[in-house]
Amino acid sequence: AQSVTQLDSHVSVSEGTPVLLRCNYSSSYSPSLFWYVQHPNKGLQLLLKYTSAATLVKGINGFEAEFKKSETSFHLTKPSAHMSDAAEYFCVVSDPTGGYQKVTFGTGTKLQVIP
Amino acid sequence: EAGVTQFPSHSVIEKGQTVTLRCDPISGHDNLYWYRRVMGKEIKFLLHFVKESKQDESGMPNNRFLAERTGGTYSTLKVQPAELEDSGVYFCASSPFPGTRDRGSYNEQFFGPGTRLTVL
Repeated sequence: AQSVTQLDSHVSVSEGTPVLLRCNYSSSYSPSLFWYVQHPNKGLQLLLKYTSAATLVKGINGFEAEFKKSETSFHLTKPSAHMSDAAEYFCVVSDPTGGYQKVTFGTGTKLQVIP
Repeated sequence: EAGVTQFPSHSVIEKGQTVTLRCDPISGHDNLYWYRRVMGKEIKFLLHFVKESKQDESGMPNNRFLAERTGGTYSTLKVQPAELEDSGVYFCASSPFPGTRDRGSYNEQFFGPGTRLTVL
């Protein structure tokens, strides 16, 4: 069984300050992990993914995440928040059980960026 | 290239009525998934098509939900009769390759904007 916990339902940062969105996972296997972002009235967009290569993963729009197996974490960071980063972010775990990739979503973190 | 599209964007119906949601995946994508997000909770898997066949429908809540993918192209999700607890946002996603046991070859799922269903 797999699960994802996003530790904060809401995060508020000032523009230009760092962003940290936290995610912990549980998986029976060595999982693949992802971050998706959803802007209002838009579909979910893949920000970045970890699939057993480098543990520090760089994504789009300056975001990156580090896979830490010992801590079962995959936190999302960005050095400097921009107003356009305001959105909801989902941490996702995927296990190749049942012959295909089955994904489990976290509950989401809403990021507010204050001017 | 057009992305995943869903219709309608919003639907408001009364309890007991029928609603049909439609998803058009990216052309050529064999995999099509339906997900649902209820009342700000996590997005939950409903089912997965590979072409026109149901690969996994373990997430379907009950037999009031019927999904089809005729011809392996677009898909419909019908709720009949709708209940209050069916309200939420229904997402569709597609991916380009058949499911695989190779854990390294994650096939990115491309999501549509969702259909917001409100049952009164």
